[in-house]
Amino acid sequence: DQQVKQNSPSLSVQEGRISILNCDYTNSMFDYFLWYKKYPAEGPTFLISISSIKDKNEDGRFTVFLNKSAKHLSLHIVPSQPGDSAVYFCALGAGGTSYGKLTFGQGTILTVHP
Amino acid sequence: DGGITQSPKYLFRKEGQNVTLSCEQNLNHDAMYWYRQDPGQGLRLIYYSQIVNDFQKGDIAEGYSVSREKKESFPLTVTSAQKNPTAFYLCASSILGGYQPQHFGDGTRLSIL
Repeated sequence: DQQVKQNSPSLSVQEGRISILNCDYTNSMFDYFLWYKKYPAEGPTFLISISSIKDKNEDGRFTVFLNKSAKHLSLHIVPSQPGDSAVYFCALGAGGTSYGKLTFGQGTILTVHP
Repeated sequence: DGGITQSPKYLFRKEGQNVTLSCEQNLNHDAMYWYRQDPGQGLRLIYYSQIVNDFQKGDIAEGYSVSREKKESFPLTVTSAQKNPTAFYLCASSILGGYQPQHFGDGTRLSIL
């Protein structure tokens, strides 16, 4: 039972255009949402997060959108750069007894072409 | 520089052997975590610890064991009971309190000979 799904295994984008990565979830208990970027043979690096009380958070070229009613999270990268090519994971957390635990999506491989 | 150090980067194990993966952090974080990543899959939580001398099972704890004797260290033992141990193992740590992001080491790739 996958609670978090990234339905696109890969995404290819031209340099300078927008990259949109998507993440869907089923458990309404999730109340904070993060995006990580991962290069091969390295650990994930934290990018940006959003709590359930917001619907948008922006940090430079990266914007995360949260649609709680649709249980949908997205990451927008504008403009995309070749150095953004990596695997992107969404990670979701909940409070209560699950506090501190994250549930990860399967990842989306982003390739940005020069 | 503060960070998380995992060693070794590559590890080979014969069937039937236990192996221990090291994870050390100097970020003064209270919480530490172990994840496993398989090809084409996300990270799955094995064990986590929020305080010294205490830890909880994650989603796939069978065949693994951990200890947390020091705040800085959270070693993971892959036992012979783990039927499919070949994977990429990632250690993470975070501050407790509020919703804090987890910071990751660079991982250990374990392979069965």
